[in-house]
Amino acid sequence: QITLRESGPALVKPTQTLTLTCTFSGFSLRTTGVAVGWIRQPPGKALEWLALIYWNDDKRYSPSLKSRLTIAKDASRNQVVLTMTNMDPVDTGTYFCARLNWGFHYWGQGALVTVSS
Amino acid sequence: QAVLTQPPSVSGAPGQRVTISCTGTSSNIGADYEVQWYQQLPGTAPKLLIFANTNRPSGVPDRFSASTSGTSASLAITGLQAEDEADYYCQSYDTSLGGYWVFGGGTKLTVL
Repeated sequence: QITLRESGPALVKPTQTLTLTCTFSGFSLRTTGVAVGWIRQPPGKALEWLALIYWNDDKRYSPSLKSRLTIAKDASRNQVVLTMTNMDPVDTGTYFCARLNWGFHYWGQGALVTVSS
Repeated sequence: QAVLTQPPSVSGAPGQRVTISCTGTSSNIGADYEVQWYQQLPGTAPKLLIFANTNRPSGVPDRFSASTSGTSASLAITGLQAEDEADYYCQSYDTSLGGYWVFGGGTKLTVL
């Protein structure tokens, strides 16, 4: 059974850095072809892809957010970490991690992050 | 603004058939990058409904089907049920700007 779970702060202040962790089970990021990504969703708005990391440490970022994002993996701990710098209230939303497998096949429940002073 | 364009809302009565369109460009759907469709019930994570243009994951009813043509894709739901009321998103890959995954703006399906 494949599961993913996001964790991190529910509230961050403007200009701070957000760090989110995706802890997964049921698969390994050491397996060829496996990739995990992050997608966010502002309240009442559409999904937006942020970043993705492959089993071979290849990393991809949203062109519009690339300068603020870093994605990393710890395959031994079955975790993927996303950091986003210089947080702004417009970054408020639910952040999901998901495994890429012919589309984003498996999703975490999401972590709501509010950016406010 | 989303890279893939969807109608904001569609509606239909129980038992009817509805379709949701997803319009892309020559750098995503038109470049033969596969389209996925997701269903998102209120307060929940998206669920993969269709992958690789036309394929249903196990457990997804065959009332859901999809197709692609040129730079567009379409999701069809037949025998509409109250439980189908949700937001639906298309998703593909875009080769511009170095390549990235893209979503549609989402379509709210209301079952009348």
